[in-house]
Amino acid sequence: AQSVAQPEDQVNVAEGNPLTVKCTYSVSGNPYLFWYVQYPNRGLQFLLKYITGDNLVKGSYGFEAEFNKSQTSFHLKKPSALVSDSALYFCAVRGLSGAGNNRKLIWGLGTSLAVNP
Amino acid sequence: SQTIHQWPATLVQPVGSPLSLECTVEGTSNPNLYWYRQAAGRGLQLLFYSVGIGQISSEVPQNLSASRPQDRQFILSSKKLLLSDSGFYLCAAIGQSNTEAFFGQGTRLTVV
Repeated sequence: AQSVAQPEDQVNVAEGNPLTVKCTYSVSGNPYLFWYVQYPNRGLQFLLKYITGDNLVKGSYGFEAEFNKSQTSFHLKKPSALVSDSALYFCAVRGLSGAGNNRKLIWGLGTSLAVNP
Repeated sequence: SQTIHQWPATLVQPVGSPLSLECTVEGTSNPNLYWYRQAAGRGLQLLFYSVGIGQISSEVPQNLSASRPQDRQFILSSKKLLLSDSGFYLCAAIGQSNTEAFFGQGTRLTVV
């Protein structure tokens, strides 16, 4: 069965320090991987994706993520955290199996990031 | 660019009342459309998805239903709301030429 795990409910980091939000996945074949951010009482915003190619992908707001096939991980990173990065972060995977145009995403439970000034 | 309009932003409804939440999509044709519910600000639960007009798949048995009367319109409904229907409802779309989903701003539903 396809699944996504975000092992940390909450991550705390000081402003200016690097941050990492972890994500591991289980899916057959080559996955499409995504990161989204959600601010309170708002919809999710797309940050970045890995489809193919370079394992390090860069996205919005200075975020990047590294695809590691052997570890089945897709951790989100940022070299220097900002207080405004405090939000809920979701990892998602879309498997390539499934009939027709079904493009359901499998979601992690989210990680709450708190950046302290 | 793709945009999803979702309304209302907040809604307080009494138990037993009907519900209709609407979502419209701009900037893409024949998208896959999704309704999610998010409880307590955490995980997303997929309620319904649609690959075309009139085509609805339900992911979980529940008190809700969905309809897609037009290509870019997705409606979430209930005939009689339950307290357990309270939550944050999100509409999402994946365009035919996209791999990532786009989300509406959500509706906070409180059933009292």
